[in-house]
Amino acid sequence: EAGVAQSPRYKIIEKRQSVAFWCNPISGHATLYWYQQILGQGPKLLIQFQNNGVVDDSQLPKDRFSAERLKGVDSTLKIQPAKLEDSAVYLCASSTGGVEQFFGPGTRLTVL
Amino acid sequence: QKEVEQDPGPLSVPEGAIVSLNCTYSNSAFQYFMWYRQYSRKGPELLMYTYSSGNKEDGRFTAQVDKSSKYISLFIRDSQPSDSATYLCAMRVGSGGSNYKLTFGKGTLLTVNP
Repeated sequence: EAGVAQSPRYKIIEKRQSVAFWCNPISGHATLYWYQQILGQGPKLLIQFQNNGVVDDSQLPKDRFSAERLKGVDSTLKIQPAKLEDSAVYLCASSTGGVEQFFGPGTRLTVL
Repeated sequence: QKEVEQDPGPLSVPEGAIVSLNCTYSNSAFQYFMWYRQYSRKGPELLMYTYSSGNKEDGRFTAQVDKSSKYISLFIRDSQPSDSATYLCAMRVGSGGSNYKLTFGKGTLLTVNP
């Protein structure tokens, strides 16, 4: 079974630029999550989708972050404009609704 | 006070040692308690989980939950160099909708020396 795919794996941008990350969850997983993991910290949930609807986006900085999940499958997370403090690893995870969330390898973002 | 507190370490032990990793939490509504392992430059992977209080054993790993003290532990017996990773505790309230949300500790970096 293929795991959660994410791209790109690494991205370096200047502050105030925009960036987008892509996630392809495990086939059949209805629930998709985006997490932000700052160096030395645990992942923090940014947004949770159930199929293509948003369940929880309470910790998403909506003035600069946006996310969508097209047709309940792939998802993109966008940052516009980026700030220095957005430097982090952005993790995508998916699940069937059971206990286990399956994580992708993450996208490491550096904002200069 | 953060919802989940975890000593970030780092923790360095010799091969074969018993390792104890711990987290405390403040939200009494948490019902599911997980331990994730994260290798460098990889995503976290679930090691084991416990529902409510009690112990759970899986090979060399034992998870304990004490809800009265709001304290959870992961024990690794006969530690191996391949166990070297960051260990993250995570918790969630229940099932359904936003209850799937995981709250993570900061993670403890473990190094097992041959």
